[in-house]
Amino acid sequence: AQSVTQLDSQVPVFEEAPVELRCNYSSSVSVYLFWYVQYPNQGLQLLLKYLSGSTLVKGINGFEAEFNKSQTSFHLRKPSVHISDTAEYFCAVSEGGSQGNLIFGKGTKLSVKP
Amino acid sequence: EAGVAQSPRYKIIEKRQSVAFWCNPISGHATLYWYQQILGQGPKLLIQFQNNGVVDDSQLPKDRFSAERLKGVDSTLKIQPAKLEDSAVYLCASSLEGRAALGYTFGSGTRLTVV
Repeated sequence: AQSVTQLDSQVPVFEEAPVELRCNYSSSVSVYLFWYVQYPNQGLQLLLKYLSGSTLVKGINGFEAEFNKSQTSFHLRKPSVHISDTAEYFCAVSEGGSQGNLIFGKGTKLSVKP
Repeated sequence: EAGVAQSPRYKIIEKRQSVAFWCNPISGHATLYWYQQILGQGPKLLIQFQNNGVVDDSQLPKDRFSAERLKGVDSTLKIQPAKLEDSAVYLCASSLEGRAALGYTFGSGTRLTVV
């Protein structure tokens, strides 16, 4: 069975500093991987996804993530964060195939301080 | 294009009462999902529809939760009777048929508080 572990429940960081949000998954088959962002009182918005090909994936708002199959990880990074990046970030996995539904991690709250 | 619409945005009910949530997916999206997001946790799938048929309802507590998608468009999720532990945000999402890998589009959710 698939599962997703987000290793940090909260990450505080100062504005313009780099950030990495960690995500590990377990699955016995090939997977698709996703990062979603949730701003307060809003639904989830897709940041980026890995389906196949290049292991470095670039998304919206300057975020990127790297798929590492040997470490079963899909960590999210941004070189310089802004106050507006304060939100909760969810890593999700879907087993390979177009019909798979998403399994989410518990989320990481990113707090960007001035 | 218009997004996924959900209503109401907020609902407060007493335990043992019933409640219903409504979702209108993006036009043309055949697949519709209901997720439950309890505070401090990630969203958990309750039910997945393909057009008006159920694909996966394995995690739906069927003794109290029910959902339908008549005509393969709008969907309603009902809880009867509600328990305190049902307090959560209920998210609806939709995707193109067979294209879930492209990512879902989520609505803003309905925040349910059971007191």
